[in-house]
Amino acid sequence: NAGVMQNPRHLVRRRGQEARLRCSPMKGHSHVYWYRQLPEEGLKFMVYLQKENIIDESGMPKERFSAEFPKEGPSILRIQQVVRGDSAAYFCASSPVSRANTGELFFGEGSRLTVL
Amino acid sequence: QQPVQSPQAVILREGEDAVINCSSSKALYSVHWYRQKHGEAPVFLMILLKGGEQKGHDKISASFNEKKQQSSLYLTASQLSYSGTYFCGTETQGGSEKLVFGKGMKLTVNP
Repeated sequence: NAGVMQNPRHLVRRRGQEARLRCSPMKGHSHVYWYRQLPEEGLKFMVYLQKENIIDESGMPKERFSAEFPKEGPSILRIQQVVRGDSAAYFCASSPVSRANTGELFFGEGSRLTVL
Repeated sequence: QQPVQSPQAVILREGEDAVINCSSSKALYSVHWYRQKHGEAPVFLMILLKGGEQKGHDKISASFNEKKQQSSLYLTASQLSYSGTYFCGTETQGGSEKLVFGKGMKLTVNP
């Protein structure tokens, strides 16, 4: 059973370009969470999605960031007009049901974005 | 409100014990512990729910004191494989879906 797959693992962008990060949850998981991790920092919650719905985006910056989880295909975290401060590791996690019930998140290995 | 973890880093010899603390300024519903090795995905260790329970598996156990709004993770007779960064994630409201993680405690276990 494949784990949570994230791609690309590493992404380099110049300031002003767009970054698209993809996350395929574990088979049978319909709940996806995105977290951002800065060096020497913890995981900061960004957004929680279920298929075709954004449930909680309270951790998303108001501008330039968006996320989706379409009926078919992976979840995508999109960052427009990237700035140096967006450089970080972005982790996706999935769970089979609402995490409040199971407690466990299954994390991918992350996508490391570097903005030049 | 981000929980505070202490200590920030520990270096142990194989076989020694360690305690990692996680404190919150808010009342907690649950505390979740994860371990992340360098360059890898965080891996779930355990969850403790409101009620002051203690859990454990193998030589890793944890306690949750809701009155003190803190949890502790106990690593007994540490093994080389225990090296990594340990994060606590806290939930201040049941069913909130959102875990707030601390900055982590980096553990290095040497032979």
